[in-house]
Amino acid sequence: DSGVTQTPKHLITATGQRVTLRCSPRSGDLSVYWYQQSLDQGLQFLIQYYNGEERAKGNILERFSAQQFPDLHSELNLSSLELGDSALYFCASSPRTRGETQYFGPGTRLLVL
Amino acid sequence: GNSVTQMEGPVTLSEEAFLTINCTYTATGYPSLFWYVQYPGEGLQLLLKATKADDKGSNKGFEATYRKETTSFHLEKGSVQVSDSAVYFCALSKEVGQNFVFGPGTRLSVLP
Repeated sequence: DSGVTQTPKHLITATGQRVTLRCSPRSGDLSVYWYQQSLDQGLQFLIQYYNGEERAKGNILERFSAQQFPDLHSELNLSSLELGDSALYFCASSPRTRGETQYFGPGTRLLVL
Repeated sequence: GNSVTQMEGPVTLSEEAFLTINCTYTATGYPSLFWYVQYPGEGLQLLLKATKADDKGSNKGFEATYRKETTSFHLEKGSVQVSDSAVYFCALSKEVGQNFVFGPGTRLSVLP
């Protein structure tokens, strides 16, 4: 158990809908990272937050957004969903932003029908 | 930019065979290097890491040595078990910007 929690574990929705994925980092960790894992794209970094502020952006679509709240939990919002958004979404956390080990949550499996 | 290349597999071995999964990287400066493992249906777990040249990371019988001269961080295990069947990801981390870059992953299947 990494100490990172993600909810929900599974999510099934329809095209055009909007969903919110939630992540609670390990106690004391200030950085939260979001990744998408799909069969054809592998593990893709989406976005990083550090202590409530956006710190780095990767291959995140404009339809996706994220935020980190004062209690350090984070939410990833996916809107106007398409079939191709079906994937595993992982959250990871680390103590600081500079090259620290990242600890991964169990993931949320999203299926868009 | 920074990148990680690793053999994509799948790799299929018999129990007690020797394992090598190659990983090479491209990065400026001195990144930290990691191996993560993903067991079926689970998230990624840190397997081992090395933060400077010539460091050797080791865990659960797995080893990898940070070779700056060849920009490599190959994963090895002397005798694999069925329970080692998983996907293995090589990754690098820099100080600023996009911290982690992952390789494509190598699927390992160990047969009894």
